[in-house]
Amino acid sequence: GAVVSQHPSWVICKSGTSVKIECRSLDFQATTMFWYRQFPKQSLMLMATSNEGSKATYEQGVEKDKFLINHASLTLSTLTVTSAHPEDSSFYICSARRQGVLTLYNEQFFGPGTRLTVL
Amino acid sequence: RKEVEQDPGPFNVPEGATVAFNCTYSNSASQSFFWYRQDCRKEPKLLMSVYSSGNEDGRFTAQLNRASQYISLLIRDSKLSDSATYLCVVNGGSQGNLIFGKGTKLSVKP
Repeated sequence: GAVVSQHPSWVICKSGTSVKIECRSLDFQATTMFWYRQFPKQSLMLMATSNEGSKATYEQGVEKDKFLINHASLTLSTLTVTSAHPEDSSFYICSARRQGVLTLYNEQFFGPGTRLTVL
Repeated sequence: RKEVEQDPGPFNVPEGATVAFNCTYSNSASQSFFWYRQDCRKEPKLLMSVYSSGNEDGRFTAQLNRASQYISLLIRDSKLSDSATYLCVVNGGSQGNLIFGKGTKLSVKP
């Protein structure tokens, strides 16, 4: 199967700092990448959809100025949490969609996630 | 109504038991359906897609009822290694993104 990597796998930072998370599709091109967030014992919640070469589409309630997304190439998307606060502590997971013949059945492949802890 | 709703769980079953998970979805226009498995502190991993005709993969059987907007997963002869959270997932967001249920936790005991 296709491989998606995320870096870093975990990060601890002080309140007020910015954290960048990278999501890479290692062996396929991903025109679309998705960023999810998961709080303990909660479901994955979509934060934003990232399309290569265009601005990301954010879900309702997600601040685009706080969660900066860049998808500059077909294999890399980055999420930057700016001025992180303790309530931003969560498990951030990206997924990459590989275009298939039947677009309705495009597969998504998940990265291993990044666990962010803001002190 | 939540977009994807699942049995709340947790399900605690002995090895060898058969266990069934149910899921309903609200968007009748949804086209793709999946069951994912998520282990503690890990990313979700695709367990199986769900087709209208129903499909089986070893001990796992998935069923879809479009009229009722209902999806099920049956696990037969459960193993200790089946212990995980099972996520019902529907493709149907405006961006073609996946919509996740909250998950049902399964714990298989010896």
